[in-house]
Amino acid sequence: DIQMTQSPSAMSASVGDRVTITCRASQGISNSVAWFRQKPGKVPERLIYAASTLQSGVPSRFSGSGSGTEFTLTISSLQPADFATYYCLQHNSYPFSFGQGTKLEIK
Amino acid sequence: QVQVVESGGDVVQPGRALRVSCAASGFTFSNYGMHWVRQAPGKGLEWVATILYDGSDKYYADSVRGRFTVSRDNSKNTLYLQMNSLRPEDTAVYYCAILPPYSFHIWGQGTQVIVSS
Repeated sequence: DIQMTQSPSAMSASVGDRVTITCRASQGISNSVAWFRQKPGKVPERLIYAASTLQSGVPSRFSGSGSGTEFTLTISSLQPADFATYYCLQHNSYPFSFGQGTKLEIK
Repeated sequence: QVQVVESGGDVVQPGRALRVSCAASGFTFSNYGMHWVRQAPGKGLEWVATILYDGSDKYYADSVRGRFTVSRDNSKNTLYLQMNSLRPEDTAVYYCAILPPYSFHIWGQGTQVIVSS
């Protein structure tokens, strides 16, 4: 089974900051990674799929990169709505697996 | 309106069974593999099960294999999760969702399952 190790588990930042979240896969998974944002009490929203494809309707401040075993989600300029928890998901092979999450808090 | 709506969540005793459902509308349900994802209170997301678009293949997380069964009825645009031998650690919100590699994205609002004596 493929494990997704996400880092950091929590971080604080300010509006306007650039932030990067990383997921490492326990084995190569090509570009089969998606990123989700979950606001408190809400349903997860998909931001990125296929490692770098922006989901329709998602702001361009979000970007994804990586291939193989290392993947990153970058938010170029944090907005108030972005203070939430972020998850990566590997969809290369079953069982699918999520990272443990990154809680992004206001500094 | 494109949506999926889960139902059937309840409070059940350990060892008992429960079936939750997910009704789809506004899109061609039979074209998509469907997934169940759960989230325990205060915890992260956990993928639970997948069924291919035509029901020909199913996949399960190790934590539920042998106890949970995913199924679908494409004539009713409905996805199911039969949960047997429930444990307290199965307590969670259960979501149905369309996950990658599809570009189409949808999650339901979830249904709460509480396993407690």
